[in-house]
Amino acid sequence: GQSLEQPSEVTAVEGAIVQINCTYQTSGFYGLSWYQQHDGGAPTFLSYNALDGLEETGRFSSFLSRSDSYGYLLLQELQMKDSASYFCAVGDTGGFKTIFGAGTRLFVKA
Amino acid sequence: DTGVSQDPRHKITKRGQNVTFRCDPISEHNRLYWYRQTLGQGPEFLTYFQNEAQLEKSRLLSDRFSAERPKGSFSTLEIQRTEQGDSAMYLCASSARQGGEQYFGPGTRLTVT
Repeated sequence: GQSLEQPSEVTAVEGAIVQINCTYQTSGFYGLSWYQQHDGGAPTFLSYNALDGLEETGRFSSFLSRSDSYGYLLLQELQMKDSASYFCAVGDTGGFKTIFGAGTRLFVKA
Repeated sequence: DTGVSQDPRHKITKRGQNVTFRCDPISEHNRLYWYRQTLGQGPEFLTYFQNEAQLEKSRLLSDRFSAERPKGSFSTLEIQRTEQGDSAMYLCASSARQGGEQYFGPGTRLTVT
């Protein structure tokens, strides 16, 4: 089957660093993406890894290990506005189909 | 460009009625996706277009769902004989390249009574 697993909730304090893990099981693999979604809003793209290693974009970094079918999103210098749901997503079937995880709800406390 | 737009933003319909949603992608994007999202879940893939060709469709999608993208520009998603279980947010996304980032529209929230 095809599935992505990520923690349902994470809580952290403002200014801290948090890591959200994602493991996947898909029939194909065409990159791992991360999206942020605030309540009532649409998902917005954060990061994409096609190859193993770390990608850094400002306060956000994403890591991929294809041999372990594993990736993570690292958020640094947390701010209250980072409170949102975070989804990992895998491109499958030549990239024609995208499978999303159920999401990790991040709560940032003062 | 103003991004991906969807119309209507909200739709309330009675069970058994047909509904149609429209998505206008970012103009230079040739790839278009439809998703369905329910509360507390991630977007669920429905179908994918590359230009006007529908290249992938979820096996979970019943025959009541159909999508088109004439001329490779805007797309429509039709649900026939709606059921209460169809109540969800329907999201459209477009992208310029395979894999990688997708830009989402604001979604159409469907409520079937």
